[in-house]
Amino acid sequence: QQQVKQSPQSLIVQKGGISIINCAYENTAFDYFPWYQQFPGKGPALLIAIRPDVSEKKEGRFTISFNKSAKQFSLHIMDSQPGDSATYFCAAIPDHSGATNKLIFGTGTLLAVQP
Amino acid sequence: GAGVSQSPRYKVAKRGQDVALRCDPISGHVSLFWYQQALGQGPEFLTYFQNEAQLDKSGLPSDRFFAERPEGSVSTLKIQRTQQEDSAVYLCASSERVQSGTLHFGNGTRLTVT
Repeated sequence: QQQVKQSPQSLIVQKGGISIINCAYENTAFDYFPWYQQFPGKGPALLIAIRPDVSEKKEGRFTISFNKSAKQFSLHIMDSQPGDSATYFCAAIPDHSGATNKLIFGTGTLLAVQP
Repeated sequence: GAGVSQSPRYKVAKRGQDVALRCDPISGHVSLFWYQQALGQGPEFLTYFQNEAQLDKSGLPSDRFFAERPEGSVSTLKIQRTQQEDSAVYLCASSERVQSGTLHFGNGTRLTVT
C-alpha cells in the first residue's frame, strides 16, 4: 500500500553539490507534506514541510518544491555537507484537518555526501 | 526530559515470547503514535492515541499487537507470541496538538526475534 513513492533509493553527492530527492503521491486527500531526516540509531526528525497551496518553501539550505498538478514534490539540499549524510523520508498526511495526523512515509533515500 | 524516551533500547526475544515496549512522550503532548520501521524501510503507522483514547489502530498487523495509554501519558506496545517477522525498530512519536504536523520521535526500540 505504497501511497508515497520516493526516489532515488540512495544518492552520493560531492561536498558543495546539490542533493535532489523526489517523491510522488496518488491520494489527493493528502494536504501536508513534511520531510524527515534520520541519522543511524536515531528517530526521524522534522526537517521542513510544505502545504499544497504554495509551490516552494525554503529554509536555509533546504528547499521543497511542490507541483500539485503532477502530485510530486522534491527536496533540494544546496551546498551539501558531510553532516547532511543521513536517510531522508518524504511523508504526507491525509486529511490534515482530521482527527488523526498519521504520517504516511516514503521508503527513504540514503544520502552520502563525500568530502 | 526534553524529548520522547523509549525503553528498552534493544530487546532480543525468542520466538513465542511476549514483549512490552515503553514510550514516555514529551510532557503535555496530546497525540501519541507508534510506528514500525523495518530495516531499510520507512516507518509504517501502527496506532494513534489522543490522550488516553486509542482512535486509530488500523496499522496493527495482527491481534498479537496491543497498545495502551491508560493515563494519557506513558504508552506501552505489547507484542504477544513474537514471530521473526516482528523484528524491526518500533518508534514512538508525540505531538503537542491534535492537528500538528510536527511529530517528535523517540530513538526507538530495536526488537530482534530469534
